Amino acid sequence: ETGVTQTPRHLVMGMTNKKSLKCEQHLGHNAMYWYKQSAKKPLELMFVYNFKEQTENNSVPSRFSPECPNSSHLFLHLHTLQPEDSALYLCASSSRLAGVFGDTQYFGPGTRLTVL
Amino acid sequence: GESVGLHLPTLSVQEGDNSIINCAYSNSASDYFIWYKQESGKGPQFIIDIRSNMDKRQGQRVTVLLNKTVKHLSLQIAATQPGDSAVYFCAEKTIDKLIFGTGTRLQVFP
Repeated sequence: ETGVTQTPRHLVMGMTNKKSLKCEQHLGHNAMYWYKQSAKKPLELMFVYNFKEQTENNSVPSRFSPECPNSSHLFLHLHTLQPEDSALYLCASSSRLAGVFGDTQYFGPGTRLTVL
Repeated sequence: GESVGLHLPTLSVQEGDNSIINCAYSNSASDYFIWYKQESGKGPQFIIDIRSNMDKRQGQRVTVLLNKTVKHLSLQIAATQPGDSAVYFCAEKTIDKLIFGTGTRLQVFP
């Protein structure tokens, strides 16, 4: 078990709906990430939070709104999404910001999102 | 990273054989590399990592080789087992973020 949980595991929503994805890490990490994984592309980094502060917004459309109330919880608020936003959304955490040697990112199981 | 395509490259190996999965990375300044394994319905799982000042690193049944001259990374799995069936992808660290490849699907048949 990775110690990173995500809910819901599956979500189907219409383009006018508002929903939220939740991520919780039980590893005592300080950095958290949202990634998008679709069938046609490599993992795409969306947002990075370090000690609850957003440090990266990788040109993500405003219909995706992240929230990090504390170092253990990360949310992704969704509104007026498009069908092309359908994908697997993965949350990850690491002790420090990405890529420090030996300080790997641990991923949750993901939320499979379908936008109708 | 690897070229993006609609279909993942697939490696099919017989149970008990060794597997070699390759990855070409893009940035010669990348100083840290990771291999991840992703099983169906699960998130990526860390397998092994290597720093750019190393050529080889071994784990349990896995070995990562790094060739900086040609910007190539490989993952070797010894005595491949059915539980090794998954998508494997590499990631390179540039500055402060990880860039992931598209992955290779490993299929293990009896």
